[in-house]
Amino acid sequence: TQLLEQSPQFLSIQEGENLTVYCNSSSVFSSLQWYRQEPGEGPVLLVTVVTGGEVKKLKRLTFQFGDARKDSSLHITAAQPGDTGLYLCAGESNTGFQKLVFGTGTRLLVSP
Amino acid sequence: DVKVTQSSRYLVKRTGEKVFLECVQDMDHENMFWYRQDPGLGLRLIYFSYDVKMKEKGDIPEGYSVSREKKERFSLILESASTNQTSMYLCASSSGGTGSYEQYFGPGTRLTVT
Repeated sequence: TQLLEQSPQFLSIQEGENLTVYCNSSSVFSSLQWYRQEPGEGPVLLVTVVTGGEVKKLKRLTFQFGDARKDSSLHITAAQPGDTGLYLCAGESNTGFQKLVFGTGTRLLVSP
Repeated sequence: DVKVTQSSRYLVKRTGEKVFLECVQDMDHENMFWYRQDPGLGLRLIYFSYDVKMKEKGDIPEGYSVSREKKERFSLILESASTNQTSMYLCASSSGGTGSYEQYFGPGTRLTVT
């Protein structure tokens, strides 16, 4: 069974601080996605990383896929209240049908 | 813009009732998924469908069934609701094209079983 563990589970910071969220597994994934979910809404895709060691930047968000494709991280620089939400990593399942294995989630609260 | 809609945002049902949750997508996607979301557990896959009338069990199918009679509509059925099925239910769809794993989600239905 493929599992993805995220840490921390909850993060409360002040506006302007930097943070990193981790997504770890003992399984290898062909690709990994990061979603953000805001209150009252479904998750929305932020990025997909495919190659081991790949780094992608989305404004103040930096995503990295581990060399062995078993882990990933999301770094936010100078967090803003608009970054508040639940961050979920999701790996491409090895059982086909375009299924995803979702991580346990990191809830981020950025206070002004 | 892909749109996935769910029939209710909030639902309160009694133990033993039969519950129907409906999901409709407007982008002609082949794949549709039902998840439940609980704090600290992320999203867990209940059932999915890769074509009309086709369904596959996910990781936690017990106590649930599904129906997909039309491509755009995927229904989740709780045959006899129990309190441990109180949760947020999310529907998603994806295109089914090669290399495309992005899932588009509905806003969710928060179900409370009393």
